[in-house]
Formats: sequence, structure tokens, C-alpha cells
Amino acid sequence: NAGVTQTPKFQVLKTGQSMTLQCAQDMNHEYMSWYRQDPGMGLRLIHYSVGAGITDQGEVPNGYNVSRSTTEDFPLRLLSAAPSQTSVYFCASSYSYGSGANVLTFGAGSRLTVL
Amino acid sequence: GQNIDQPTEMTATEGAIVQINCTYQTSGFNGLFWYQQHAGEAPTFLSYNVLDGLEEKGRFSSFLSRSKGYSYLLLKELQMKDSASYLCAVMDSNYQLIWGAGTKLIIKP
Repeated sequence: NAGVTQTPKFQVLKTGQSMTLQCAQDMNHEYMSWYRQDPGMGLRLIHYSVGAGITDQGEVPNGYNVSRSTTEDFPLRLLSAAPSQTSVYFCASSYSYGSGANVLTFGAGSRLTVL
Repeated sequence: GQNIDQPTEMTATEGAIVQINCTYQTSGFNGLFWYQQHAGEAPTFLSYNVLDGLEEKGRFSSFLSRSKGYSYLLLKELQMKDSASYLCAVMDSNYQLIWGAGTKLIIKP
């Protein structure tokens, strides 16, 4: 049981380049989400999905796209990277959405640097 | 606006007890979570409180007072492996998590 798998673990981009962060879970979780974590700040929600074919914006969605074609996969696309997107990105999933006791399982994180 | 406050850093001694506080102001409340995050790793779930009172889980306990918008995480018999950041998060009325910036706990021998 792998849980939540994120790739790549590290990535360096130049301003203007595009890339996709991959996220896959094997727990049959309905809910998947992407967060960014920056020093001195709480985790900030970028996009989330409550099921295959359904996505919605979080707190900081600008510059990012997502899709959810299957239950297992939830890739995050950076369309034109900017230095402000330098951060650690976490994918997280949970069994369902809309109930309080919704424990998130996180991937190992992807450290992105944009030069 | 919505806000979660917790101390930036705390230091404690191995074998001692430490209490990490979290205060919150959110649009609605559907529960409060504590997560542990070791440096360079992913957050992992520690506890969930939705009713007032104390929840005990081994060396870790979490307390909630909804009327005061206050929670604490109590760690007993501290071990060096407890050195980590502790994240407080509140689920608001839309079932979205609002996260604090985390408390970095340093354990000294």
C-alpha cells in the first residue's frame, strides 16, 4: 500500500517554463488536494477535487491548473513558472469530503525552485 | 478574516512536558486537527477534536474549548524524536482546512 505518491521530489525551473507535478493515491480516496508550504506561513490550498471529473479552486489557484480524470491521479500543472512559485508542494487525499473527521494523508512533497 | 495563531518556536527538555497552544477565529467550526511534521517530511495526523474537552492518545493529548476558540497539544515524556513542527488546523463551515503556520518544537537533552 503506497499511499500518496508524488513526483518529482525536486525540480528546478527557469522563469516561463511549464511543468507538471504528479500525484497518485491507491487508497480509493474521493478527495484530493494540492497545497503549497512557504516559510512562516500555513499550508495554503491551491486546488482540490471531490471526485473524478470535479475540481475546484482553493485559496491560491492563480498560475496552476489541475484535472482529475481518474480517482487515483491528480496532476498539478504550472503553466508559466514564476519565482513566486518557488515552494514545497504537497498532494493530500482523504476518504471523503464534507465531514469533519476527514484525516488527510500527505505525499512526501515536491520542492520546486524557479530561477 | 480567518486566522489561526500558534507560537513560532518552543524549546523543551527531554523527559519533560510541553504544551503547544493554538487560538483560532474561523467562519464556522467542524473540528480541529493537529499534525506533526518532521523537517523535510510530510505532515502526519496526530489528533482530531470536535467536542470540548481532552482527547488522550498515549503520550499526546489534545484539548479543545470552542467557546474560547482555543486548543492545546500536550506532549508528555518528551523524546528527541518529538523534535518537529506541530501544525494546528481548523475545518471551517465549508469543510475547508485553515492552517496555522506551525510551532517548531526543539528538544534538548
